[in-house]
Parts: sequence; structure tokens; C-alpha cells
Amino acid sequence: NAGVTQTPKFRILKIGQSMTLQCTQDMNHNYMYWYRQDPGMGLKLIYYSVGAGITDKGEVPNGYNVSRSTTEDFPLRLELAAPSQTSVYFCASSYSGTSDNEQFFGPGTRLTVL
Amino acid sequence: GNSVTQMEGPVTLSEEAFLTINCTYTATGYPSLFWYVQYPGEGLQLLLKATKADDKGSNKGFEATYRKETTSFHLEKGSVQVSDSAVYFCAHTRGSTLGRLYFGRGTQLTVWP
Repeated sequence: NAGVTQTPKFRILKIGQSMTLQCTQDMNHNYMYWYRQDPGMGLKLIYYSVGAGITDKGEVPNGYNVSRSTTEDFPLRLELAAPSQTSVYFCASSYSGTSDNEQFFGPGTRLTVL
Repeated sequence: GNSVTQMEGPVTLSEEAFLTINCTYTATGYPSLFWYVQYPGEGLQLLLKATKADDKGSNKGFEATYRKETTSFHLEKGSVQVSDSAVYFCAHTRGSTLGRLYFGRGTQLTVWP
């Protein structure tokens, strides 16, 4: 099992450009999450999904979109990149949404918007 | 609201020293508590967890006890190793919030030989 994989590892964008951060998991997990980690801060939830075709907003969804057409994939879309979106992005998945359930994280994508 | 306050780093220790990283939480209801660790260049991975008051989570020599009376979940290890150098995150969640995690800011630990 590869677990949770993310691409790309690094990316530099210009203001106003768009891009998609890819996330794939091979553990057949229903729940998937996108977090961002700003320097010196904890991770904050952007969007999450409880299954294919179902997504919902987290704490900081503005400027992002997601889709979940398959169980395995949960891409994060930035339409008009802004410097405030410079961050490290982590995708995670879990088998269920119960409060004691472990989340498995990808290695992250470091995004810089100039 | 839901929040996690974590000891600020960086923490620098010599090998075999005792480690404590403090963590307190604010949450309604009965959250589960977690410590995640992030090694350089990798994603976060679960280190240990506790799901109810007075539970002790343990793994790889690390321990943390769920203290509801003080709303704390401090991480301890009796003798750290160079390989423990990483960033440690305290987090909590509740079943009603669909498994979403609320994280502290993370504490960078560096262990010197």
C-alpha cells in the first residue's frame, strides 16, 4: 500500500494562476480531508469528504474548491491564486468519521504564490 | 469553541534527557485526544491517542494521559533519542464533527547526541 500520495511536492505560482493539488489514497477510506499548515500554526481544515460525491466546507474554504468523483481521489483546486494561499497543504484520509479514528496523512505539497 | 494550546518550541535536548511537551485543549463534549508526529520531509503520522478520561496512550516510549479535570494531554518520554527529532502536534476531535481534527501549532524537538 502506498497510503496517501500527493502531487506535486513543490510548486510556485504567480498571482491569479490556477492549479490542482492531487491526492490519492489506496486504503479504500471513505473520509478524506484537506488541511493547510501556515508557518508556526497548526493545521486548519479546508474541505472534507465523507464519500464519493459528497464534500463539505471546513474552517478555511475560501479560494478553494474540491470534488470527489471516486473513493480514491480528492483533488483540491485553486482558481485564482493569492499570496495568502502560500502554505503547506496536507491531504488525509480515514476509514470512518468516529472521534477515535486515526487519520493517515500524505507528505504534503509546499505552495508559494508570488 | 474547539482549540488546542501547545507548548511553544523549539525544544532542544541532549540524548537520554527527559521530555515533556505540554498540551491543553478546549472542547465541548468528550473529545478524543491525539499526538501526531511529523518527521522531516514526511507527512504527519499518529503517535498515540486516548479516547476517554484517565486513559493513557503510549507508543515508542512516549506516553500521554487524558486529564479531563485539567483538560490536558501532556506528552512525555523518559529518555529521548536523536531519532525522536521531529515536530509534534497535539490534536483533538469529536464524533459529531465527522472526524475533523483540531490541531495545536506543533512543537519542534531537536535531540543532540
